Amino acid sequence: EDKVVQSPLSLVVHEGDTVTLNCSYEVTNFRSLLWYKQEKKAPTFLFMLTSSGIEKKSGRLSSILDKKELFSILNITATQTGDSAIYLCAVGTLLSLQGAQKLVFGQGTRLTINP
Amino acid sequence: NAGVTQTPKFRILKIGQSMTLQCTQDMNHNYMYWYRQDPGMGLKLIYYSVGAGITDKGEVPNGYNVSRSTTEDFPLRLELAAPSQTSVYFCASSYPEQHGRSSGNTIYFGEGSWLTVV
Repeated sequence: EDKVVQSPLSLVVHEGDTVTLNCSYEVTNFRSLLWYKQEKKAPTFLFMLTSSGIEKKSGRLSSILDKKELFSILNITATQTGDSAIYLCAVGTLLSLQGAQKLVFGQGTRLTINP
Repeated sequence: NAGVTQTPKFRILKIGQSMTLQCTQDMNHNYMYWYRQDPGMGLKLIYYSVGAGITDKGEVPNGYNVSRSTTEDFPLRLELAAPSQTSVYFCASSYPEQHGRSSGNTIYFGEGSWLTVV
């Protein structure tokens, strides 16, 4: 059975700290690993990773994938209160020959940034 | 920029009632999906569709039905609502994976529909 595990499940830090969120996976037909940020509503896309060792960056957020060890990390530097959210890791696995993907989600990491 | 639009946003159903969650996308995506998210959990795939007229079951299809008569619309039907179907439902869509490339495709989500069955 495909599985995605995130850690920690919950994290509370002070504004300005740097955090690292972890995601490990065991899936068949791996296609991609995606990170989403979820506040009150729908998950908002952050990154999609398909190749090992290539860091993706967007402002204070960055992420990298290790396909040999089957994990990914999401780093947030100089955290702000607006970074408080649930961060979801999802692995895309091939659903059909036409290329549709199923996203297998982890439980999420609830990040709280205190001022 | 409409993207993926779901209605209704909130609904309370009585046990045994039926209803349809509507989903439409204006990005001309071939692939559409329905996920549900229970409290404190990640999302689980209910049904998906790779194009008009083609649908298939995901991980948790029991108690639901779908149809895909057009590229834009992918409604989800609950026939006999049960308390276990209390959840947040997300519709999503994506382009096909690019041919010849070992890459994934970004999946875009609607705003969610909060459903309570009492």
